[in-house]
Amino acid sequence: AQTVTQSQPEMSVQEAETVTLSCTYDTSESDYYLFWYKQPPSRQMILVIRQEAYKQQNATENRFSVNFQKAAKSFSLKISDSQLGDAAMYFCAYRSYSNYQLIWGAGTKLIIKP
Amino acid sequence: DAGVIQSPRHEVTEMGQEVTLRCKPISGHNSLFWYRQTMMRGLELLIYFNNNVPIDDSGMPEDRFSAKMPNASFSTLKIQPSEPRDSAVYFCASSHTTEEEPQHFGDGTRLSIL
Repeated sequence: AQTVTQSQPEMSVQEAETVTLSCTYDTSESDYYLFWYKQPPSRQMILVIRQEAYKQQNATENRFSVNFQKAAKSFSLKISDSQLGDAAMYFCAYRSYSNYQLIWGAGTKLIIKP
Repeated sequence: DAGVIQSPRHEVTEMGQEVTLRCKPISGHNSLFWYRQTMMRGLELLIYFNNNVPIDDSGMPEDRFSAKMPNASFSTLKIQPSEPRDSAVYFCASSHTTEEEPQHFGDGTRLSIL
């Protein structure tokens, strides 16, 4: 069975600095998708970024980028130029090609210090 | 474009009462998911519909929970009778049934059973 692990329950960063959130996963499959979702205090679940496992190039979305290491089964999220609005819970999620169910990590709470 | 719409946003009711949560998926999406989020258990998939048909309901906690999708634009999650341990945030999400399409979440319903 696939699992997703986020080892950092909480992270803090100074505004305008860069922070990296860690995610590792376990799977025997070769084709899958990985996602980062953000959940601010308003509790919406917002898709931040996604990565297809067959793509070697790391996905980027403005200030958000990932470091995808397929062999190491690692999928970290880097947030550059952190802003107060980035404060939220961040969830890493896995989905195989053959199953639409998302496997979720426990989440990392990101605190932005002004 | 309208996102996934859930109602009510908050629900407070007494133990033993029937609770009905509602969801309108994004137009054109043919997959719909109901999740429950608690501090203790994180995000749990309750049930997954594809083309209005329940595909996987293995996450439904017990017979007190039921879900329906009478048409492509509406789904309900019902709890009868409700218990205090059902208190949680319930999310609905939808997506296209394609490999590439991520799930888009509603704002959730915060349910409190007294």
